[in-house]
Amino acid sequence: GAVVSQHPSWVICKSGTSVKIECRSLDFQATTMFWYRQFPKQSLMLMATSNEGSKATYEQGVEKDKFLINHASLTLSTLTVTSAHPEDSSFYICSARGTGGYEQYFGPGTRLTVT
Amino acid sequence: ELKVEQNPLFLSMQEGKNYTIYCNYSTTSDRLYWYRQDPGKSLESLFVLLSNGAVKQEGRLMASLDTKARLSTLHITAAVHDLSATYFCAVDTRDDKIIFGKGTRLHILP
Repeated sequence: GAVVSQHPSWVICKSGTSVKIECRSLDFQATTMFWYRQFPKQSLMLMATSNEGSKATYEQGVEKDKFLINHASLTLSTLTVTSAHPEDSSFYICSARGTGGYEQYFGPGTRLTVT
Repeated sequence: ELKVEQNPLFLSMQEGKNYTIYCNYSTTSDRLYWYRQDPGKSLESLFVLLSNGAVKQEGRLMASLDTKARLSTLHITAAVHDLSATYFCAVDTRDDKIIFGKGTRLHILP
């Protein structure tokens, strides 16, 4: 149980284009989902927290107009990187937490390369 | 602001040896997590520690928690090459987020 998927697992896009990453909880309802970014050989940095049906809460220094997060259902959250630039290239990992639970279940990650 | 510090950040050790990774955190927290990450992969949950004195073991890994000292340890017994990975500790904040340590890159030499 507690499986989280991400799609795509990797994506290459050109500078200036937008990319959408999906995060799904497959066997539970995720009231809260989290988006992290991880640069090579670094730790995970929380970008934003989203609760189903409400606006995401962004961490300090994360541009909400650049990283659009939507959590429209209890099993799906999306992260859209708008007008991507090479410095946005990173490993993006989502996690999900179920109703009444405390543990976060992590997705397999999406590797974004912006050329 | 909650801070999580791990040490060492890099560890190279021989198979068969024992070693300990330390995780200190700066403010009171209800839960501490240990994760494993293989290169190019996401996180694998190893342990969740909920109370002072908690000890959990899985195979050659054992984690413990001292909430008074705000310290957790991950002990590796008789290391084998398959345990080579990056290990992260992470701590819950009061607003239900997780703050990660920088990670310990463990390289076990055959």
